[in-house]
Amino acid sequence: RKEVEQDPGPFNVPEGATVAFNCTYSNSASQSFFWYRQDCRKEPKLLMSVYSSGNEDGRFTAQLNRASQYISLLIRDSKLSDSATYLCAASEAGGSEKLVFGKGTKLTVNP
Amino acid sequence: GAVVSQHPSWVICKSGTSVKIECRSLDFQATTMFWYRQFPKQSLMLMATSNEGSKATYEQGVEKDKFLINHASLTLSTLTVTSAHPEDSSFYICSAQAGGTETQYFGPGTRLLVL
Repeated sequence: RKEVEQDPGPFNVPEGATVAFNCTYSNSASQSFFWYRQDCRKEPKLLMSVYSSGNEDGRFTAQLNRASQYISLLIRDSKLSDSATYLCAASEAGGSEKLVFGKGTKLTVNP
Repeated sequence: GAVVSQHPSWVICKSGTSVKIECRSLDFQATTMFWYRQFPKQSLMLMATSNEGSKATYEQGVEKDKFLINHASLTLSTLTVTSAHPEDSSFYICSAQAGGTETQYFGPGTRLLVL
Protein backbone atom coordinates (compact mmCIF):
# COMPACT_ATOMS: atom_id res chain seq x y z
CA ARG A 1 0.00 0.00 0.00
CA LYS A 2 1.57 3.22 -1.17
CA GLU A 3 1.32 5.99 1.39
CA VAL A 4 2.32 8.89 -0.80
CA GLU A 5 1.54 8.86 -4.49
CA GLN A 6 2.56 11.16 -7.28
CA ASP A 7 2.10 11.21 -11.00
CA PRO A 8 5.55 10.16 -12.23
CA GLY A 9 5.25 12.27 -15.37
CA PRO A 10 7.34 13.18 -17.18
CA PHE A 11 5.98 16.67 -17.60
CA ASN A 12 7.49 18.48 -20.55
CA VAL A 13 6.66 22.17 -20.64
CA PRO A 14 8.00 25.20 -22.49
CA GLU A 15 9.84 27.95 -20.68
CA GLY A 16 7.44 30.38 -19.09
CA ALA A 17 4.68 27.84 -18.65
CA THR A 18 2.78 27.23 -15.45
CA VAL A 19 2.84 23.67 -14.23
CA ALA A 20 1.11 22.00 -11.29
CA PHE A 21 1.87 18.77 -9.49
CA ASN A 22 -0.41 16.92 -7.13
CA CYS A 23 0.46 14.43 -4.47
CA THR A 24 -1.94 12.31 -2.43
CA TYR A 25 -1.28 10.80 0.94
CA SER A 26 -3.15 7.95 2.53
CA ASN A 27 -2.59 8.59 6.21
CA SER A 28 -5.05 11.17 7.50
CA ALA A 29 -2.97 11.60 10.65
CA SER A 30 0.00 13.01 8.76
CA GLN A 31 0.85 16.40 10.16
CA SER A 32 3.67 17.89 8.12
CA PHE A 33 4.20 18.08 4.40
CA PHE A 34 7.10 19.10 2.23
CA TRP A 35 8.17 19.47 -1.36
CA TYR A 36 11.73 18.54 -2.28
CA ARG A 37 13.46 18.75 -5.62
CA GLN A 38 16.00 16.20 -6.70
CA ASP A 39 18.34 16.72 -9.61
CA CYS A 40 19.65 13.74 -11.51
CA ARG A 41 22.04 11.68 -9.39
CA LYS A 42 21.91 14.21 -6.56
CA GLU A 43 20.37 14.34 -3.12
CA PRO A 44 16.89 15.83 -2.51
CA LYS A 45 16.89 19.48 -1.53
CA LEU A 46 14.11 21.08 0.43
CA LEU A 47 12.02 23.32 -1.79
CA MET A 48 9.35 24.34 0.67
CA SER A 49 7.22 23.22 3.55
CA VAL A 50 3.48 23.10 2.97
CA TYR A 51 1.30 24.93 5.43
CA SER A 52 -2.41 24.49 6.00
CA SER A 53 -3.22 27.96 4.72
CA GLY A 54 -1.08 27.53 1.64
CA ASN A 55 2.18 29.30 1.11
CA GLU A 56 4.12 30.97 -1.64
CA ASP A 57 7.81 31.42 -2.26
CA GLY A 58 8.50 33.42 -5.37
CA ARG A 59 7.27 31.46 -8.35
CA PHE A 60 6.34 28.46 -6.23
CA THR A 61 3.02 27.98 -4.45
CA ALA A 62 2.19 25.03 -2.24
CA GLN A 63 -1.25 24.10 -1.02
CA LEU A 64 -2.67 21.49 1.29
CA ASN A 65 -6.15 20.02 1.11
CA ARG A 66 -6.68 17.92 4.22
CA ALA A 67 -10.22 16.91 3.33
CA SER A 68 -9.08 15.31 0.10
CA GLN A 69 -5.64 14.41 1.45
CA TYR A 70 -3.55 15.96 -1.23
CA ILE A 71 -0.91 18.60 -1.56
CA SER A 72 -0.04 20.54 -4.64
CA LEU A 73 2.86 22.50 -6.03
CA LEU A 74 2.40 25.21 -8.62
CA ILE A 75 5.35 26.59 -10.55
CA ARG A 76 4.75 29.78 -12.47
CA ASP A 77 6.91 31.20 -15.25
CA SER A 78 8.96 28.01 -15.34
CA LYS A 79 12.68 28.27 -16.02
CA LEU A 80 15.06 25.82 -17.62
CA SER A 81 16.66 25.43 -14.20
CA ASP A 82 13.39 24.13 -12.78
CA SER A 83 13.98 20.85 -14.63
CA ALA A 84 14.25 18.22 -11.91
CA THR A 85 12.26 15.57 -10.11
CA TYR A 86 9.90 16.91 -7.48
CA LEU A 87 9.27 14.75 -4.43
CA CYS A 88 6.48 15.27 -1.99
CA ALA A 89 6.81 14.03 1.56
CA ALA A 90 4.37 13.55 4.41
CA SER A 91 5.16 12.90 8.03
CA GLU A 92 4.05 9.61 9.49
CA ALA A 93 1.09 9.48 11.79
CA GLY A 94 1.10 10.76 15.30
CA GLY A 95 3.72 13.44 14.93
CA SER A 96 6.47 10.98 14.10
CA GLU A 97 9.67 12.47 12.83
CA LYS A 98 9.73 10.09 9.90
CA LEU A 99 8.82 11.26 6.44
CA VAL A 100 7.33 9.14 3.70
CA PHE A 101 8.32 10.19 0.20
CA GLY A 102 6.55 9.80 -3.08
CA LYS A 103 8.42 8.48 -6.10
CA GLY A 104 8.65 11.92 -7.57
CA THR A 105 7.38 13.74 -10.62
CA LYS A 106 9.87 14.49 -13.33
CA LEU A 107 9.72 17.92 -14.91
CA THR A 108 11.57 19.02 -18.01
CA VAL A 109 11.37 22.66 -19.03
CA ASN A 110 12.23 23.14 -22.68
CA PRO A 111 13.61 26.28 -24.33
CA GLY B 1 22.84 26.95 7.37
CA ALA B 2 21.64 23.34 7.64
CA VAL B 3 24.52 21.74 5.80
CA VAL B 4 24.95 17.99 5.89
CA SER B 5 28.01 16.28 4.52
CA GLN B 6 28.47 12.66 3.60
CA HIS B 7 31.64 10.74 2.98
CA PRO B 8 32.65 9.08 0.76
CA SER B 9 30.66 10.35 -2.20
CA TRP B 10 31.20 7.12 -4.07
CA VAL B 11 32.79 3.78 -3.40
CA ILE B 12 33.50 0.67 -5.41
CA CYS B 13 34.26 -2.46 -3.48
CA LYS B 14 34.51 -6.20 -3.88
CA SER B 15 31.76 -8.49 -2.75
CA GLY B 16 32.19 -9.52 0.87
CA THR B 17 33.89 -6.37 2.08
CA SER B 18 32.43 -3.85 4.49
CA VAL B 19 31.87 -0.21 3.65
CA LYS B 20 31.49 2.63 6.14
CA ILE B 21 29.63 5.81 5.27
CA GLU B 22 29.77 8.92 7.43
CA CYS B 23 27.08 11.56 7.75
CA ARG B 24 27.81 14.84 9.48
CA SER B 25 25.71 17.87 10.27
CA LEU B 26 28.14 20.75 9.87
CA ASP B 27 26.35 23.73 11.35
CA PHE B 28 23.68 22.35 13.62
CA GLN B 29 23.16 19.60 16.11
CA ALA B 30 21.14 16.73 14.74
CA THR B 31 19.18 14.89 17.37
CA THR B 32 17.93 12.52 14.71
CA MET B 33 19.52 11.26 11.53
CA PHE B 34 17.92 9.08 8.91
CA TRP B 35 19.44 6.68 6.44
CA TYR B 36 17.78 6.12 3.08
CA ARG B 37 18.49 4.02 0.07
CA GLN B 38 17.40 4.89 -3.44
CA PHE B 39 17.51 2.55 -6.41
CA PRO B 40 17.34 4.01 -9.93
CA LYS B 41 13.98 5.59 -10.73
CA GLN B 42 12.63 4.58 -7.34
CA SER B 43 11.60 6.60 -4.34
CA LEU B 44 13.68 7.18 -1.28
CA MET B 45 13.27 4.21 1.02
CA LEU B 46 13.90 4.79 4.69
CA MET B 47 16.25 2.20 6.14
CA ALA B 48 16.60 3.35 9.71
CA THR B 49 16.21 6.20 12.15
CA SER B 50 19.18 7.04 14.30
CA ASN B 51 19.02 8.99 17.55
CA GLU B 52 22.14 10.19 19.28
CA GLY B 53 23.20 7.87 22.06
CA SER B 54 20.63 5.18 21.43
CA LYS B 55 20.15 2.20 19.17
CA ALA B 56 18.86 2.82 15.70
CA THR B 57 15.32 1.89 14.76
CA TYR B 58 15.23 -0.15 11.58
CA GLU B 59 12.42 -0.30 9.07
CA GLN B 60 10.76 -3.59 8.33
CA GLY B 61 12.85 -5.73 6.04
CA VAL B 62 16.13 -3.97 6.77
CA GLU B 63 18.67 -6.26 8.43
CA LYS B 64 20.16 -4.53 11.43
CA ASP B 65 23.14 -6.88 11.51
CA LYS B 66 23.96 -6.08 7.92
CA PHE B 67 23.48 -2.34 8.09
CA LEU B 68 25.19 -1.19 11.27
CA ILE B 69 24.35 2.31 12.39
CA ASN B 70 26.16 4.31 15.02
CA HIS B 71 25.15 7.77 16.15
CA ALA B 72 27.87 8.63 18.60
CA SER B 73 27.46 12.40 18.67
CA LEU B 74 24.97 15.09 17.75
CA THR B 75 26.83 15.75 14.52
CA LEU B 76 27.90 12.33 13.30
CA SER B 77 26.16 9.14 12.29
CA THR B 78 27.76 6.24 10.45
CA LEU B 79 26.29 3.44 8.35
CA THR B 80 28.37 0.34 7.79
CA VAL B 81 27.30 -2.07 5.09
CA THR B 82 28.78 -5.35 6.20
CA SER B 83 29.68 -8.13 3.81
CA ALA B 84 28.42 -6.13 0.87
CA HIS B 85 26.93 -7.92 -2.12
CA PRO B 86 26.12 -6.65 -5.60
CA GLU B 87 22.46 -6.25 -4.67
CA ASP B 88 23.53 -3.70 -2.05
CA SER B 89 24.71 -1.41 -4.84
CA SER B 90 22.61 1.71 -4.50
CA PHE B 91 22.56 5.40 -3.65
CA TYR B 92 22.71 5.80 0.13
CA ILE B 93 21.58 9.15 1.48
CA CYS B 94 21.48 10.42 5.02
CA SER B 95 19.44 13.26 6.38
CA ALA B 96 19.65 15.19 9.60
CA GLN B 97 16.96 16.77 11.68
CA ALA B 98 17.42 19.35 14.39
CA GLY B 99 15.54 18.91 17.65
CA GLY B 100 12.01 20.28 17.68
CA THR B 101 11.69 20.44 13.91
CA GLU B 102 10.48 18.02 11.28
CA THR B 103 12.47 19.39 8.36
CA GLN B 104 15.11 16.99 7.11
CA TYR B 105 18.26 18.18 5.41
CA PHE B 106 19.97 15.70 3.16
CA GLY B 107 23.59 14.86 2.66
CA PRO B 108 24.91 14.62 -0.91
CA GLY B 109 24.64 10.85 -0.91
CA THR B 110 27.05 7.98 -1.40
CA ARG B 111 27.00 5.81 -4.49
CA LEU B 112 27.98 2.27 -3.66
CA LEU B 113 28.92 -0.22 -6.33
CA VAL B 114 29.67 -3.73 -5.19
CA LEU B 115 31.42 -5.87 -7.77
